[in-house]
Amino acid sequence: RKEVEQDPGPFNVPEGATVAFNCTYSNSASQSFFWYRQDCRKEPKLLMSVYSSGNEDGRFTAQLNRASQYISLLIRDSKLSDSATYLCVVNLENYGQNFVFGPGTRLSVLP
Amino acid sequence: DAGVIQSPRHEVTEMGQEVTLRCKPISGHNSLFWYRQTMMRGLELLIYFNNNVPIDDSGMPEDRFSAKMPNASFSTLKIQPSEPRDSAVYFCASSPNPIQGASETQYFGPGTRLLVL
Repeated sequence: RKEVEQDPGPFNVPEGATVAFNCTYSNSASQSFFWYRQDCRKEPKLLMSVYSSGNEDGRFTAQLNRASQYISLLIRDSKLSDSATYLCVVNLENYGQNFVFGPGTRLSVLP
Repeated sequence: DAGVIQSPRHEVTEMGQEVTLRCKPISGHNSLFWYRQTMMRGLELLIYFNNNVPIDDSGMPEDRFSAKMPNASFSTLKIQPSEPRDSAVYFCASSPNPIQGASETQYFGPGTRLLVL
């Protein structure tokens, strides 16, 4: 089993739709969690960290479920500019930086 | 700040040649990472340094790959000899020193697109 798994998509949604991605991780000792965004032929960039209590940043909401070992990302009122690949990232260490990236979920927002 | 700088941005070489990729991290960042991204395997961590010291190189594919960080502002990833299966995008990333109990954002460079013929 891979350490971090995601549905590769693509998710094709119309503008204004709400879309949700899930990500599962295998290591129950994982310490911290992130969503990164990667545009085509560009580098990954941090979208948001994922906190135990859940967190929101504008149209984006991230949730963590440690018991079931998954994290989610919800995008409301999707825009054309949200089209990208969304990478789930897990840090396996508390005092180190052992980041494992998921394969990514591709989102296309259509006009 | 200019962000993480990588060079070259594109590299085309022939099998058997030596390839050297370069990275300048963001000033003040203590950790530096080398990743490789392919369609088949996604983004894979090759090696990371903390305060110029290699901490985890378990992701380095084989002896043909080597990485150095001679000072806080420069790192190289070398492939010798290169093979077609090394074709990928190689990213360098840096982050501030992790605070105990916390994790820091990684800032990626634009990547080097390597094609080995």
